[in-house]
Amino acid sequence: GAGVSQSPSNKVTEKGKDVELRCDPISGHTALYWYRQSLGQGLEFLIYFQGNSAPDKSGLPSDRFSAERTGGSVSTLTIQRTQQEDSAVYLCASSWGPQGYQETQYFGPGTRLLVL
Amino acid sequence: GENVEQHPSTLSVQEGDSAVIKCTYSDSASNYFPWYKQELGKGPQLIIDIRSNVGEKKDQRIAVTLNKTAKHFSLHITETQPEDSAVYFCAASFDDMRFGAGTRLTVKP
Repeated sequence: GAGVSQSPSNKVTEKGKDVELRCDPISGHTALYWYRQSLGQGLEFLIYFQGNSAPDKSGLPSDRFSAERTGGSVSTLTIQRTQQEDSAVYLCASSWGPQGYQETQYFGPGTRLLVL
Repeated sequence: GENVEQHPSTLSVQEGDSAVIKCTYSDSASNYFPWYKQELGKGPQLIIDIRSNVGEKKDQRIAVTLNKTAKHFSLHITETQPEDSAVYFCAASFDDMRFGAGTRLTVKP
């Protein structure tokens, strides 16, 4: 079946502009995660959605970052007033959900964001 | 929160040799330890995982070992091939999931 998809695959924006990144999880997965990966670095957790529960936002680096998940499926990560240090690959992952963080996460290909 | 340290950061081996990557974690409650492989321009893909009630798990040329007492786990790749070249990430989870910084493995033909 289809895996996790993300769009756009690449995004170039100017400093100060807002951007929206989209994630379509695997059908039936109730858990969805966003990560940030800076060049040559590991994965930095941003936010976790589990079904209809309140999301775990503990990883969001500032109030310029927000995410929502509509209808328990598609998620959008929004970065307001982008800064150059926001340049990174933004990865989305999904998992079946019942065991939360203790499950296999399936990653999308990522969105490469460049802030000029 | 959990901290995961991964070593080495880069590893270069000859084709056919073995490769070992090691990780340590800080939260003794961690009970799930996946390993991911990330190829250039792609998202990470799970290659093997282990839970805290198991000490070792194998899948063909790949094996993972877990030492709960010492809080470390390792990835072993035998008979390496050029297509094994990638960045490998370990992770540890309980009430969150933390990733190591990654190991860039290069297999020279």
